[in-house]
Amino acid sequence: AQSVSQHNHHVILSEAASLELGCNYSYGGTVNLFWYVQYPGQHLQLLLKYFSGDPLVKGIKGFEAEFIKSKFSFNLRKPSVQWSDTAEYFCASYNTDKLIFGTGTRLQVFP
Amino acid sequence: DAGVTQSPTHLIKTRGQQVTLRCSPKSGHDTVSWYQQALGQGPQFIFQYYEEEERQRGNFPDRFSGHQFPNYSSELNVNALLLGDSALYLCASSLSASGVWKGAQYFGPGTRLLVL
Repeated sequence: AQSVSQHNHHVILSEAASLELGCNYSYGGTVNLFWYVQYPGQHLQLLLKYFSGDPLVKGIKGFEAEFIKSKFSFNLRKPSVQWSDTAEYFCASYNTDKLIFGTGTRLQVFP
Repeated sequence: DAGVTQSPTHLIKTRGQQVTLRCSPKSGHDTVSWYQQALGQGPQFIFQYYEEEERQRGNFPDRFSGHQFPNYSSELNVNALLLGDSALYLCASSLSASGVWKGAQYFGPGTRLLVL
């Protein structure tokens, strides 16, 4: 069965530190990959997406992700985090009409 | 342009009871998906409705059922509630004709259900 795994459950960083959150997917065919973010008290919202083409995709708020097919990975990165990036981040794949989510990574950024 | 709305925001029920959750999709969207998010977990796909029919279903028992109305709004019904049904229930909408963009779903704020 298709699955998505996120390695980091809880990440704590200081402002201006660099961020990389890991995501691996199991499906070997065509993949449509997403990162969603859930800020405290807010609903899930789309951060970025990959369908095909350039494996380095840019999203909102300075986030980017790199699709590496050989490693079945889609890691999320940001060069310099801000306190406002504190949130829960979910990696997801889309196949046959459903989103499959990872368990999420809680990011805490301290000033 | 209203986004996805859900009601109620919070709900407390006891075991064995039945519950109905409601969702209105984002304007222009015709497809509604429901997810269950348990504490500390990622959302789990329950089912998807399009053209008033269930198009896809996740690994949830028949106690979970749904409906979509002609105006694209949707209901999630859960019968014979169990303690383990306590979770945040998320509704997401998308446009069926959008192809791969269907994964870029718009989520509502969710309904937090507590089963005692």
